[in-house]
Amino acid sequence: QQQVKQSPQSLIVQKGGISIINCAYENTAFDYFPWYQQFPGKGPALLIAIRPDVSEKKEGRFTISFNKSAKQFSLHIMDSQPGDSATYFCAASMGGNNRLAFGKGNQVVVIP
Amino acid sequence: KAGVTQTPRYLIKTRGQQVTLSCSPISGHRSVSWYQQTPGQGLQFLFEYFSETQRNKGNFPGRFSGRQFSNSRSEMNVSTLELGDSALYLCASSPRTGYSPLHFGNGTRLTVT
Repeated sequence: QQQVKQSPQSLIVQKGGISIINCAYENTAFDYFPWYQQFPGKGPALLIAIRPDVSEKKEGRFTISFNKSAKQFSLHIMDSQPGDSATYFCAASMGGNNRLAFGKGNQVVVIP
Repeated sequence: KAGVTQTPRYLIKTRGQQVTLSCSPISGHRSVSWYQQTPGQGLQFLFEYFSETQRNKGNFPGRFSGRQFSNSRSEMNVSTLELGDSALYLCASSPRTGYSPLHFGNGTRLTVT
């Protein structure tokens, strides 16, 4: 079954707006939550990651918010730019290994 | 540093054949993971190797296998190909196993006819 569920499936945002993608997970043993960005024809690239001991992490225009009790985490892209148009994947892993459970992905389109 | 290199970029095979995909990790990275990406199932974990040992295996049939060499380069093999094996196969390397970024290659696009 899908261990990590992403919503919405796709998103259209105006340039300068905020893109918000949500993820929910089921396995409480997960202890590492990264977000990956993928452009067509390329492999995914790490954007930002969080551990459950913090509720928020910010890197530039990208912020992860983490709610352990709700088993949810979200990615906020501030001041969205056309170059941010890509597919975004949330993921989770546990036990200090590289076995990531990925969400199905969210296509974000930023229109000028 | 050079990124993760996967060869070949594209492959077309016939049902029943076998295929070998190759991955050269970033220099110094000892962990190599493989993922299958399809429109329907998304990204699914195949296996992870660290210092030539398989550390984890995903829920794929035994037709899918892999190995890692002493220079950290890795190969994955799929035997008795089925139409459903058509996918983008992604390799990712990391300096260690767990809590660290995976650096993905651009994948090998396998088409089974």
